[in-house]
Amino acid sequence: AQSVTQLDSHVSVSEGTPVLLRCNYSSSYSPSLFWYVQHPNKGLQLLLKYTSAATLVKGINGFEAEFKKSETSFHLTKPSAHMSDAAEYFCVGGSGGYQKVTFGIGTKLQVIP
Amino acid sequence: EAGVAQSPRYKIIEKRQSVAFWCNPISGHATLYWYQQILGQGPKLLIQFQNNGVVDDSQLPKDRFSAERLKGVDSTLKIQPAKLEDSAVYLCASSYPGRASTDTQYFGPGTRLTVL
Repeated sequence: AQSVTQLDSHVSVSEGTPVLLRCNYSSSYSPSLFWYVQHPNKGLQLLLKYTSAATLVKGINGFEAEFKKSETSFHLTKPSAHMSDAAEYFCVGGSGGYQKVTFGIGTKLQVIP
Repeated sequence: EAGVAQSPRYKIIEKRQSVAFWCNPISGHATLYWYQQILGQGPKLLIQFQNNGVVDDSQLPKDRFSAERLKGVDSTLKIQPAKLEDSAVYLCASSYPGRASTDTQYFGPGTRLTVL
């Protein structure tokens, strides 16, 4: 089954500076990968997903992620952080086909004014 | 389009009591998931339904947890008896068609359970 590793449990950035949230995956198969965001007291929301169509995936709210097979990475980026981006972000992996997905432990993003 | 509905939003019980959570998925979504999210951890899949059949319950503690999805629409998750370590947020999600791990899951707001 697909597994994902989120390399940082907490990330702190200043408003207006770039955001980088790191995720590595491991799988014997071509993976499907997602980034979800969870704001306090709200449900998980899909930011973007990779399903082998294009290596650079654009999501909502200005986020994007690049699938790098050579590095087994799927890092989430945003050029300029907003205060509203403060939330917890989950990298999620699936192995394709009829298998369950696996969540990473999450990265809490703090945005400093 | 209405989202995934869950109730109650919060529940506090004593250990050894029983509790039930309800989920109504997005209309037309064949697959329904229940996750347990313990504070500081990512969600862990408890059970996955395809219509009204169970397709994965490998991580469901079956001695105390049970779930059903009658008529392939809404679902209930029950804990009996509850333990302190069951304190968590219980998330329900649904997807369409739901047979592939490439499908997007849509999550409800969750039920926060506190076991005292």
